Amino acid sequence: ETGVTQTPRHLVMGMTNKKSLKCEQHLGHNAMYWYKQSAKKPLELMFVYNFKEQTENNSVPSRFSPECPNSSHLFLHLHTLQPEDSALYLCASSQVNGPSDNEQYFGPGTRLTVT
Amino acid sequence: RKEVEQDPGPFNVPEGATVAFNCTYSNSASQSFFWYRQDCRKEPKLLMSVYSSGNEDGRFTAQLNRASQYISLLIRDSKLSDSATYLCVVSFSGGYNKLIFGAGTRLAVHP
Repeated sequence: ETGVTQTPRHLVMGMTNKKSLKCEQHLGHNAMYWYKQSAKKPLELMFVYNFKEQTENNSVPSRFSPECPNSSHLFLHLHTLQPEDSALYLCASSQVNGPSDNEQYFGPGTRLTVT
Repeated sequence: RKEVEQDPGPFNVPEGATVAFNCTYSNSASQSFFWYRQDCRKEPKLLMSVYSSGNEDGRFTAQLNRASQYISLLIRDSKLSDSATYLCVVSFSGGYNKLIFGAGTRLAVHP
């Protein structure tokens, strides 16, 4: 399935590195999301972009910086991460105010390991 | 209290069995309800939406009780391929769709 793509699929980075995660949706949706999934914990919403405007920042540390240049692309810029930030980072998209208003579709995720 | 609580699992059932998962949510303002399926090391995928009248999709039946703030998923005639983690999800609308996920219930179907 290629509705929502994410790159890279795996990433190992040191605590002093700077990296970016990329997400692209090919579904014509107008909202995009970043989630974090740590081992044995529920998915946690990090950021929401609705019509390219950030509408939610769920108390995420500033070492995570989102960017949404248009309704199809979403980035998550990472810098000076901590080992506890190691997790699966999932991107999702949805069509707000559409017929399937509340359905979100996820990308395959980036599995991040911070060393 | 967690916003969305699910049976802890895991559920280990033989092929052909019927299995039911339960879920409760704490916020009465929740507007939409879903079951997602997540395979090991994969992304969550929407299994079905849950409506007040109940809905069925093949072997899967979902029920919603708003008064009790309770959601259920029934799987009949379990297949090996049903082995996965099932996530109960509630949504609040209002300009965007904030999904609150349960921790999931692991299902293992064995021959």
